[in-house]
Amino acid sequence: DAGITQSPRYKITETGRQVTLMCHQTWSHSYMFWYRQDLGHGLRLIYYSAAADITDKGEVPDGYVVSRSKTENFPLTLESATRSQTSVYFCASSELMGLQVTQYFGPGTRLLVL
Amino acid sequence: DQQVKQNSPSLSVQEGRISILNCDYTNSMFDYFLWYKKYPAEGPTFLISISSIKDKNEDGRFTVFLNKSAKHLSLHIVPSQPGDSAVYFCAASADNDMRFGAGTRLTVKP
Repeated sequence: DAGITQSPRYKITETGRQVTLMCHQTWSHSYMFWYRQDLGHGLRLIYYSAAADITDKGEVPDGYVVSRSKTENFPLTLESATRSQTSVYFCASSELMGLQVTQYFGPGTRLLVL
Repeated sequence: DQQVKQNSPSLSVQEGRISILNCDYTNSMFDYFLWYKKYPAEGPTFLISISSIKDKNEDGRFTVFLNKSAKHLSLHIVPSQPGDSAVYFCAASADNDMRFGAGTRLTVKP
């Protein structure tokens, strides 16, 4: 199906474990983004990527690692999960340079760290 | 440090009436503003945007107003419909920085 997908949709893990959240888009958009949504904070940018092999930090990057070996995929890894990383994670993509364009969001991954 | 604030976590209006959602920002470098709508268990979807060179942008029932001097924007929905019930996020961007507000949950009662 065309669009942007995330997997898994729900994940429960334990403190200290490594977790990878997947994001896949079929539009060949250049830009991809990872956000986390927490009550009272709205959406906060974790990392973004302008193209394959180009990534940059957002507002809250600590504890996260990203990679972009292919244009269509943008996985987010929590190397050693902490309870504070319990959140809803959204992946997004956009076709044009910069952030003054519409972003298309995936359905989200709800992560619980015990 | 929340640079974009939506001070009303929730808003309830009657069907057919006007909904007004407000957003304030602190960074004068923001030059592009967007509203996103989010239903439960779905990702946000783009609704409407406005550039800082304008003070109003209209799209059907949705109008966004920007007051740069007050660093304030608002989203008007007229007339409100039950299907508009969702969480609305405002966002502000400058260069490669985008910040979102915490969201306002709108409930439109039939």
